[in-house]
Amino acid sequence: DTAVSQTPKYLVTQMGNDKSIKCEQNLGHDTMYWYKQDSKKFLKIMFSYNNKELIINETVPNRFSPKSPDKAHLNLHINSLELGDSAVYFCASSQEWAEGYNEQFFGPGTRLTVL
Amino acid sequence: LAKTTQPISMDSYEGQEVNITCSHNNIATNDYITWYQQFPSQGPRFIIQGYKTKVTNEVASLFIPADRKSSTLSLPRVSLSDTAVYYCLVGDIGADSSYKLIFGSGTRLLVRP
Repeated sequence: DTAVSQTPKYLVTQMGNDKSIKCEQNLGHDTMYWYKQDSKKFLKIMFSYNNKELIINETVPNRFSPKSPDKAHLNLHINSLELGDSAVYFCASSQEWAEGYNEQFFGPGTRLTVL
Repeated sequence: LAKTTQPISMDSYEGQEVNITCSHNNIATNDYITWYQQFPSQGPRFIIQGYKTKVTNEVASLFIPADRKSSTLSLPRVSLSDTAVYYCLVGDIGADSSYKLIFGSGTRLLVRP
């Protein structure tokens, strides 16, 4: 039983293309997140949604657009891909949004390679 | 913006106790300190969380001094399978008064036989 799943696991594409990464959680959680992990293993939060409402929106290029059709899904669409977008993207969820309380469940990650 | 600082790497031997410290000088007042473990090609996994003093669970202990400007993750009697990267996570209030989640840079722990 996969708690937080992401598709695809690997994504190789050309510069300038548009791609999407999907995330689903079956934990019944209210809050979902997207993180980017670069080649140096730094983990940076990009977005967070609570009950389909955007609550965290870090300084991320407008080319990145999250979409939450329901509480169980948070997809990430990236337009006009650039070389610097190459990274591993992690989706995560937590039971609820509570500033300061950060037990999150992470997905397996999507390795994006932009050529 | 808060900056969390962790040692880049640590070496240990099986059976030893390992202590990894994270400094977080500007932690938000209401914030908990959370530690995660990450194996290669996997997502981070929650280990332990605490607000102050000491917290212990079946895998680790977390020590937090009164000023909460640092925390120490303690792994008792490590095994080879504890080789991983360990991250601390805290929140901070940014210059724009918004809440920020800040992961540490991670500590790569290598456990040797």
